[in-house]
Formats: sequence, C-alpha cells, structure tokens
Amino acid sequence: QVLLHESGPGLVKPSETLSLTCTVSGASISDYHWSWIRQSPGKGLEWIAYMYYSGNTHYNPSLKSRVIMSLDTSKNQFSLKLSSVTAADTAVYYCARDYRLWLGDVWEYYGMDVWGQGTTVTVSS
Amino acid sequence: DIQMTQSPSTLSASVGDRVTITCRASQSISSWLAWYQQKPGKPPKLLIYKASILERGVPSRFSGSGSGTEFTLTISSLQPDDFATYYCQQYDNYLYTFGQGTNLDNK
Repeated sequence: QVLLHESGPGLVKPSETLSLTCTVSGASISDYHWSWIRQSPGKGLEWIAYMYYSGNTHYNPSLKSRVIMSLDTSKNQFSLKLSSVTAADTAVYYCARDYRLWLGDVWEYYGMDVWGQGTTVTVSS
Repeated sequence: DIQMTQSPSTLSASVGDRVTITCRASQSISSWLAWYQQKPGKPPKLLIYKASILERGVPSRFSGSGSGTEFTLTISSLQPDDFATYYCQQYDNYLYTFGQGTNLDNK
C-alpha cells in the first residue's frame, strides 16, 4: 500500500518561503510521478507542480515564478518550496501520486490515485 | 490555459436518485479527464480517469462519459455515502486544471 505524508511548518510569515515535504512509503519515488495540489479555505483544488525523477518538472503558470519542486531519492521524499508567500497562499497542501503508464512512446495519464491527508499552512505575521 | 467549468455548482438529491454532473473544457482535451470525490476534511479520491474508466474499487454506480470539451459524471442510484463534493480535472501536456466543484447534498 502506497502512503503519502505531508510535513512542514503550519505557520509562515508573509514574504517568507513555504517549505513542505512529502514522505512516500510503500513505493519508490523513482518509479512514479508526483504532484502538489492545494485547496484554499472553502475553495476548490489548485494544482501547483509536477515532477518525475528524470527531472521533468512542470509548474502551474500562475505560480511558476515562485515554485520549486524537488525529489530526494535517498530519503524517498519530494518537496515543495513556494517563495514570497502572502495570505492568498493560506491553504491545505496535498501531495499526490500522478499515475501514468509508459506505452512505449508516451506516458499515458490516469489521474492522481494516491493522496496524502494534507497539511494546513497559514500565512500570517 | 484550459479552463474547466462544472455545472451545477450545487445539486440537491435524494437517495436512489440518478444524478449527473457536467464538466466543460475551454478547448478540446480529448479524453484526458478525471473525476474525484471529496468529503469534508479528507483528500480527494479518484473515481474515474481517461473520461470513462472506473478506478479500482469504485462502485459501478459511478460512470463517466464524454470527449473533446464536454464530459459527464453519472451516479445511477445515489447512496448515502455519495453526498460529497465532486471535481473534474483535465490533463493537457503536464498542465492540470480542476473544475470549481459540485457540492452534492441531501435534499
């Protein structure tokens, strides 16, 4: 069974950098693809970033200038850094497995099939 | 960017009802659409991917259809456990967008 667990500070000051880690158990992070998603209070879901261990990384264009996603295969973890945060970045942050299958010439996408429980981050002074 | 619009935003229904939720994409996404169910305080749960393929373990009363720009999620006979918020999500070349959600509540 694949399990994901988000961790990081629950409170971040405005203008600082939000740093979160997702620890993966039950699977090697180099075998799968991964994403970060957030949900502002009472709002919908917003995709933030995607990464594969090969280094292939993609970011939400609206956040791209402030986001960095990285993988640490030695710890079986992946991370998110979001800089220059404001109150608008207050949200529950989820990590998720991005399920894809290699069809020989393309990765076929099958949705985000495993999610962490989420971690609440509040931006406030 | 591809925008996803769900309708309705809120849907009131009763146990046993047939329920349909629609998701429209601002441009064609072929069949690259997933549906999720979310309950309060919980992460989303994948129900359907590639527009119509049921994720393992999801009850067969859930079904998805559509391609291009218009998609539907149907629950054939609503059960008490189905009251939740439902989101569609498109995939376009490693960029994803979610719909704004449909809150399905008990009439």
